[in-house]
Amino acid sequence: DAGITQSPRHKVTETGTPVTLRCHQTENHRYMYWYRQDPGHGLRLIHYSYGVKDTDKGEVSDGYSVSRSKTEDFLLTLESATSSQTSVYFCALRDGLSDMGGYTFGSGTRLTVV
Amino acid sequence: AQKITQTQPGMFVQEKEAVTLDCTYDTSDPSYGLFWYKQPSSGEMIFLIYQGSYDQQNATEGRYSLNFQKARKSANLVISASQLGDSAMYFCAMREQGDNDMRFGAGTRLTVKP
Repeated sequence: DAGITQSPRHKVTETGTPVTLRCHQTENHRYMYWYRQDPGHGLRLIHYSYGVKDTDKGEVSDGYSVSRSKTEDFLLTLESATSSQTSVYFCALRDGLSDMGGYTFGSGTRLTVV
Repeated sequence: AQKITQTQPGMFVQEKEAVTLDCTYDTSDPSYGLFWYKQPSSGEMIFLIYQGSYDQQNATEGRYSLNFQKARKSANLVISASQLGDSAMYFCAMREQGDNDMRFGAGTRLTVKP
């Protein structure tokens, strides 16, 4: 399995503050993804990256930005956190060797915005 | 648009019995992959099984099998000989070829009774 680490695992922050979540991989996979998980919605794609400095928006990208300055790190930033962004955030990897490959997920970050 | 439907929010099964978790999907792309993930109470997303749209046979992985009915656009997960450790949330997902968004259903919570 790919080495993938998310940090922090838990965070409580106040409305209006910026928050950055980090996803770190040790497998040199090309594709990295940020999803959020909410009850009744499954997982929904926020942003993804297909290489260093190459990113694109997903289904629920409003209020989020991402950066990937190195292959191993993919950062998700909430510029000004809102209560609607309280969620569990998952990072995922895909190696890209097969176009139909599945994803490997990190352990998740539980974010609470108060 | 919702592309993955899991109609069973919760399911109960007796230990050692088989259980089927339903999943239907919607796509006009002839090339796609179907995935099932397990999410135990600890929160991590565990890959279970994969079915490609061109695969002639149903996928199997140990006690897991995928009942793939292409014409009906259904991809039901069958768990044989249920164990207490199978109690978890189960997500069906689909990714169309060339698409970077793996779409997830809302999930089914399975409870295995002793």
